[in-house]
Amino acid sequence: DAGVIQSPRHEVTEMGQEVTLRCKPISGHNSLFWYRQTMMRGLELLIYFNNNVPIDDSGMPEDRFSAKMPNASFSTLKIQPSEPRDSAVYFCASSLLGNSNQPQHFGDGTRLSIL
Amino acid sequence: GENVEQHPSTLSVQEGDSAVIKCTYSDSASNYFPWYKQELGKGPQLIIDIRSNVGEKKDQRIAVTLNKTAKHFSLHITETQPEDSAVYFCAATYRDDKIIFGKGTRLHILP
Repeated sequence: DAGVIQSPRHEVTEMGQEVTLRCKPISGHNSLFWYRQTMMRGLELLIYFNNNVPIDDSGMPEDRFSAKMPNASFSTLKIQPSEPRDSAVYFCASSLLGNSNQPQHFGDGTRLSIL
Repeated sequence: GENVEQHPSTLSVQEGDSAVIKCTYSDSASNYFPWYKQELGKGPQLIIDIRSNVGEKKDQRIAVTLNKTAKHFSLHITETQPEDSAVYFCAATYRDDKIIFGKGTRLHILP
Protein backbone atom coordinates (compact mmCIF):
# COMPACT_ATOMS: atom_id res chain seq x y z
CA ASP A 1 0.00 0.00 0.00
CA ALA A 2 1.80 3.13 -1.23
CA GLY A 3 1.99 6.05 1.15
CA VAL A 4 2.41 9.71 0.30
CA ILE A 5 5.19 10.07 -2.26
CA GLN A 6 7.30 13.20 -2.47
CA SER A 7 9.99 14.15 -4.96
CA PRO A 8 12.74 15.04 -5.03
CA ARG A 9 14.03 13.83 -1.64
CA HIS A 10 16.82 16.38 -1.71
CA GLU A 11 17.21 19.61 -3.66
CA VAL A 12 20.20 21.93 -3.63
CA THR A 13 20.04 25.04 -5.75
CA GLU A 14 21.31 28.59 -5.90
CA MET A 15 19.28 31.52 -4.71
CA GLY A 16 17.10 33.08 -7.35
CA GLN A 17 16.33 29.76 -9.01
CA GLU A 18 12.84 28.30 -9.28
CA VAL A 19 12.16 25.25 -7.14
CA THR A 20 9.30 22.82 -7.67
CA LEU A 21 8.39 20.20 -5.09
CA ARG A 22 6.03 17.38 -5.98
CA CYS A 23 3.57 15.25 -4.05
CA LYS A 24 1.39 12.25 -4.80
CA PRO A 25 -1.19 11.70 -2.03
CA ILE A 26 -2.56 8.36 -0.94
CA SER A 27 -5.13 7.11 -3.42
CA GLY A 28 -8.64 7.91 -2.22
CA HIS A 29 -7.57 10.73 0.07
CA ASN A 30 -9.13 14.05 -0.79
CA SER A 31 -7.37 16.44 1.56
CA LEU A 32 -3.76 17.45 0.93
CA PHE A 33 -1.48 19.54 3.12
CA TRP A 34 1.91 21.19 2.60
CA TYR A 35 4.10 21.79 5.67
CA ARG A 36 7.51 23.32 6.25
CA GLN A 37 9.75 22.10 9.07
CA THR A 38 12.64 24.08 10.54
CA MET A 39 14.47 23.88 13.86
CA MET A 40 13.35 27.36 14.83
CA ARG A 41 9.67 27.20 13.89
CA GLY A 42 8.84 23.49 13.97
CA LEU A 43 6.13 22.16 11.66
CA GLU A 44 4.19 24.94 9.96
CA LEU A 45 1.15 24.44 7.75
CA LEU A 46 1.61 26.34 4.50
CA ILE A 47 -1.56 25.48 2.58
CA TYR A 48 -4.17 22.78 2.33
CA PHE A 49 -6.57 21.54 -0.33
CA ASN A 50 -9.92 19.77 -0.10
CA ASN A 51 -11.06 18.03 -3.29
CA ASN A 52 -8.27 19.80 -5.21
CA VAL A 53 -9.47 23.26 -4.11
CA PRO A 54 -7.19 25.46 -1.96
CA ILE A 55 -8.99 26.08 1.33
CA ASP A 56 -6.48 27.95 3.47
CA ASP A 57 -3.22 29.45 2.24
CA SER A 58 -2.68 31.77 5.18
CA GLY A 59 0.53 29.95 6.06
CA MET A 60 2.20 30.64 2.73
CA PRO A 61 5.02 32.99 3.71
CA GLU A 62 5.20 35.20 0.65
CA ASP A 63 4.05 35.63 -2.91
CA ARG A 64 7.17 33.76 -3.96
CA PHE A 65 5.39 30.59 -2.79
CA SER A 66 2.59 29.03 -4.81
CA ALA A 67 0.85 25.65 -4.75
CA LYS A 68 -1.39 23.84 -7.18
CA MET A 69 -3.40 20.65 -7.22
CA PRO A 70 -4.46 20.01 -10.82
CA ASN A 71 -5.99 16.62 -9.97
CA ALA A 72 -6.62 14.30 -7.06
CA SER A 73 -3.30 12.48 -7.43
CA PHE A 74 -0.80 15.31 -7.79
CA SER A 75 0.22 18.57 -6.18
CA THR A 76 3.16 20.95 -6.54
CA LEU A 77 4.69 23.59 -4.29
CA LYS A 78 6.72 26.16 -6.17
CA ILE A 79 9.15 28.78 -4.89
CA GLN A 80 10.19 31.48 -7.32
CA PRO A 81 12.63 33.08 -6.79
CA SER A 82 14.15 30.99 -4.01
CA GLU A 83 16.10 32.52 -1.12
CA PRO A 84 18.50 31.00 1.47
CA ARG A 85 15.88 31.42 4.22
CA ASP A 86 13.61 29.01 2.33
CA SER A 87 16.00 26.20 3.28
CA ALA A 88 13.95 23.65 5.25
CA VAL A 89 12.32 20.24 4.98
CA TYR A 90 9.00 20.41 3.16
CA PHE A 91 6.38 17.75 3.88
CA CYS A 92 3.24 16.80 2.08
CA ALA A 93 0.45 14.97 3.92
CA SER A 94 -2.93 13.62 2.90
CA SER A 95 -6.08 12.51 4.68
CA LEU A 96 -9.67 11.55 4.09
CA LEU A 97 -11.99 14.50 4.14
CA GLY A 98 -14.67 14.25 6.78
CA ASN A 99 -16.15 15.78 9.87
CA SER A 100 -14.57 13.17 12.11
CA ASN A 101 -11.10 14.61 11.71
CA GLN A 102 -9.16 11.89 9.99
CA PRO A 103 -5.44 11.37 10.63
CA GLN A 104 -2.96 12.91 8.26
CA HIS A 105 -0.37 10.67 6.61
CA PHE A 106 2.98 12.26 5.81
CA GLY A 107 5.50 11.67 3.07
CA ASP A 108 9.22 11.54 3.87
CA GLY A 109 9.76 15.13 2.81
CA THR A 110 11.99 17.14 0.51
CA ARG A 111 15.12 18.57 2.11
CA LEU A 112 15.67 21.90 0.35
CA SER A 113 18.93 23.81 0.54
CA ILE A 114 19.19 27.22 -1.09
CA LEU A 115 22.79 28.41 -1.42
CA GLY B 1 -5.29 31.72 17.02
CA GLU B 2 -4.84 28.12 18.05
CA ASN B 3 -1.71 27.22 19.99
CA VAL B 4 -0.34 23.89 21.18
CA GLU B 5 2.33 23.88 23.87
CA GLN B 6 4.46 20.76 24.34
CA HIS B 7 6.80 19.84 27.21
CA PRO B 8 9.53 18.89 27.70
CA SER B 9 11.52 19.73 24.59
CA THR B 10 14.06 17.03 25.44
CA LEU B 11 13.61 13.92 27.57
CA SER B 12 16.12 11.24 28.52
CA VAL B 13 14.95 8.07 30.23
CA GLN B 14 16.62 4.82 31.14
CA GLU B 15 15.67 1.86 28.98
CA GLY B 16 12.75 0.08 30.60
CA ASP B 17 11.47 3.18 32.39
CA SER B 18 8.41 5.19 31.40
CA ALA B 19 8.32 8.44 29.44
CA VAL B 20 5.61 11.09 29.65
CA ILE B 21 5.11 14.00 27.27
CA LYS B 22 2.53 16.67 28.01
CA CYS B 23 0.64 19.10 25.80
CA THR B 24 -1.87 21.88 26.26
CA TYR B 25 -4.12 23.46 23.66
CA SER B 26 -6.03 26.70 23.52
CA ASP B 27 -9.07 26.12 21.30
CA SER B 28 -11.92 24.64 23.31
CA ALA B 29 -13.49 23.42 20.04
CA SER B 30 -10.56 21.07 19.34
CA ASN B 31 -11.86 17.51 19.22
CA TYR B 32 -9.09 15.36 17.74
CA PHE B 33 -5.59 14.90 19.17
CA PRO B 34 -3.07 12.83 17.20
CA TRP B 35 0.46 11.97 18.26
CA TYR B 36 3.26 11.54 15.74
CA LYS B 37 6.72 9.98 15.93
CA GLN B 38 9.43 11.28 13.63
CA GLU B 39 12.65 9.37 13.03
CA LEU B 40 15.71 10.87 11.38
CA GLY B 41 15.19 11.50 7.68
CA LYS B 42 11.56 10.45 7.78
CA GLY B 43 8.21 12.16 7.89
CA PRO B 44 6.07 12.17 11.04
CA GLN B 45 4.21 8.89 11.50
CA LEU B 46 0.94 8.64 13.42
CA ILE B 47 1.35 6.40 16.47
CA ILE B 48 -1.89 6.98 18.35
CA ASP B 49 -4.77 9.43 18.44
CA ILE B 50 -7.65 10.29 20.73
CA ARG B 51 -10.97 12.02 20.18
CA SER B 52 -12.70 14.33 22.60
CA ASN B 53 -15.41 11.84 23.58
CA VAL B 54 -12.77 9.56 25.12
CA GLY B 55 -10.60 10.23 28.18
CA GLU B 56 -7.95 7.58 27.63
CA LYS B 57 -6.75 5.23 24.92
CA LYS B 58 -4.11 2.52 25.03
CA ASP B 59 -2.22 0.60 22.37
CA GLN B 60 0.32 -1.86 23.78
CA ARG B 61 3.06 0.22 25.45
CA ILE B 62 1.59 3.57 24.39
CA ALA B 63 -1.29 5.38 26.06
CA VAL B 64 -2.81 8.83 25.71
CA THR B 65 -4.95 10.70 28.20
CA LEU B 66 -7.15 13.73 27.58
CA ASN B 67 -8.52 16.25 30.06
CA LYS B 68 -10.88 18.48 28.10
CA THR B 69 -11.68 20.70 31.04
CA ALA B 70 -8.05 21.58 31.59
CA LYS B 71 -7.21 21.35 27.86
CA HIS B 72 -4.38 18.95 28.62
CA PHE B 73 -3.39 15.75 26.88
CA SER B 74 -0.44 13.45 27.47
CA LEU B 75 1.47 10.60 25.87
CA HIS B 76 2.74 7.77 28.06
CA ILE B 77 5.27 5.21 26.85
CA THR B 78 5.95 2.32 29.22
CA GLU B 79 8.85 -0.15 29.21
CA THR B 80 10.81 2.07 26.85
CA GLN B 81 13.09 0.47 24.28
CA PRO B 82 15.96 1.87 22.17
CA GLU B 83 13.70 2.06 19.10
CA ASP B 84 11.49 4.53 20.97
CA SER B 85 14.23 7.16 20.55
CA ALA B 86 12.80 9.78 18.17
CA VAL B 87 11.07 13.16 18.12
CA TYR B 88 7.43 13.07 19.22
CA PHE B 89 4.82 15.66 18.24
CA CYS B 90 1.42 16.27 19.74
CA ALA B 91 -1.26 18.03 17.71
CA ALA B 92 -4.78 19.35 18.04
CA THR B 93 -7.41 20.14 15.48
CA TYR B 94 -8.31 23.66 14.60
CA ARG B 95 -11.46 24.09 12.53
CA ASP B 96 -12.38 21.12 10.36
CA ASP B 97 -9.28 19.65 8.76
CA LYS B 98 -6.46 21.81 10.05
CA ILE B 99 -4.21 20.56 12.84
CA ILE B 100 -1.68 22.54 14.84
CA PHE B 101 1.48 20.79 16.01
CA GLY B 102 3.46 21.22 19.18
CA LYS B 103 7.17 22.01 18.85
CA GLY B 104 8.20 18.41 19.52
CA THR B 105 9.96 16.39 22.22
CA ARG B 106 13.26 14.70 21.50
CA LEU B 107 13.20 11.43 23.42
CA HIS B 108 16.48 9.66 24.19
CA ILE B 109 16.40 6.13 25.57
CA LEU B 110 19.57 5.51 27.54
CA PRO B 111 21.09 2.00 27.62
